[in-house]
Amino acid sequence: QSALTQPASVSGSPGQSITISCTGTSSDVGGYNYVSWYQQHPGKVPKLMIYDVSNRPSGVSDRFSGSKSGNTASLTISGLQAEDEAEYYCSSYTNSITLEFGGGTKVTVL
Amino acid sequence: QVQLQESGPGLVKPSETLSLTCTVSGYSISSGFYWGWLRQPPERGLEWIGSFFHSGTTYYNPSLKSRVTVSVDTANNQFSLKLRSVTAADTAVYYCATSWPGNYFDAFNVWGPGTMLTVSS
Repeated sequence: QSALTQPASVSGSPGQSITISCTGTSSDVGGYNYVSWYQQHPGKVPKLMIYDVSNRPSGVSDRFSGSKSGNTASLTISGLQAEDEAEYYCSSYTNSITLEFGGGTKVTVL
Repeated sequence: QVQLQESGPGLVKPSETLSLTCTVSGYSISSGFYWGWLRQPPERGLEWIGSFFHSGTTYYNPSLKSRVTVSVDTANNQFSLKLRSVTAADTAVYYCATSWPGNYFDAFNVWGPGTMLTVSS
């Protein structure tokens, strides 16, 4: 069982916006602005999409955005495209100076 | 551009020690940034194993801490992972990664291709 809770799956039609949630506690997500999101296509290496809640690394599309409210962080994908179909993982820094991951969310483009 | 490459035995027997090496090119480990190991069991999610800052303390996943050691070989620009007393539950793809070009404990921006490690007799 993962420390951070993500929905198992989220789906949307091309062009729509979807949001993936990542729920933790005040000891991790809620206590620090150190939440990251990764995209992983089947058989591929994870790719960093968002770090420190809402920052995008160079080269990541601005269709991806991150936010946080209380103990829940969110990743929003706007203008959903077929290439966005993948598994998405959140991670958070904790007050024990460790990292935790969510169980992953499978995004399906209908 | 920094690049990472994992290397390891591929197959380890139960109760033995797993040893993996991450060879870094394009940047000196001793110069900065966070470096770490993660793993992903087949058909399952990502798990953080441990991380270190270029010149500082190593931090470990509490669930693995009693069995894990991460060490650095600055002369060869490599870092390694040793996991003792392995079981089938340690079967996974093992990744090394770095926060380069940022100093972020929580964000791995560059990853190695991963190496599959199977625990079986």
